[in-house]
Amino acid sequence: GAVVSQHPSRVICKSGTSVKIECRSLDFQATTMFWYRQFPKQSLMLMATSNEGSKATYEQGVEKDKFLINHASLTLSTLTVTSAHPEDSSFYICSGRSSNYGYTFGSGTRLTVV
Amino acid sequence: GNSVTQMEGPVTLSEEAFLTINCTYTATGYPSLFWYVQYPGEGLQLLLKATKADDKGSNKGFEATYRKETTSFHLEKGSVQVSDSAVYFCALSVPEGNEKLTFGTGTRLTIIP
Repeated sequence: GAVVSQHPSRVICKSGTSVKIECRSLDFQATTMFWYRQFPKQSLMLMATSNEGSKATYEQGVEKDKFLINHASLTLSTLTVTSAHPEDSSFYICSGRSSNYGYTFGSGTRLTVV
Repeated sequence: GNSVTQMEGPVTLSEEAFLTINCTYTATGYPSLFWYVQYPGEGLQLLLKATKADDKGSNKGFEATYRKETTSFHLEKGSVQVSDSAVYFCALSVPEGNEKLTFGTGTRLTIIP
């Protein structure tokens, strides 16, 4: 079946630094990649939607200059949290969508900013 | 707009009990409906889905029927196990734009031996 590999699974960084999260679709081409943020014991909040080769579409209230999304190929999308602060600490999950496999989720990245 | 209303948890049941987690939706257009499961510290896994009215999705003993007349997609299982302990999310997507998923708030299920 389809697999999305998300790395790193956990990362701790200092305030003011940037962190890059990577999602790769291993055996399918993800025409669309979704990035979510999940707070403890809460649902997933869609941050942005990206299509390969075009700019990401951000949801209302999400700072596009802070959460940089790149979807350079049909198998790779990255989310960079720039100038991270403790309030950015969260669980980030990506999901690749394809016509054959529907939605496939990565295993998530636990970001802790200290 | 699109929205999913899901039974609030947490839900605690004894092993072998009957499970129902309610889910209702509102949608523009004709949605596909999903149930996802999330185990601790992991991403989401598709549990089952249904794409048209009266379809029944089923997997691992779980079932849900797409009820257009009541705009519902309730999740059921006849006899739960400890390994079913997880968070369950009801979700929908509509065939327009990027077909993004709209999630319910999630229901945390704990099964005690």
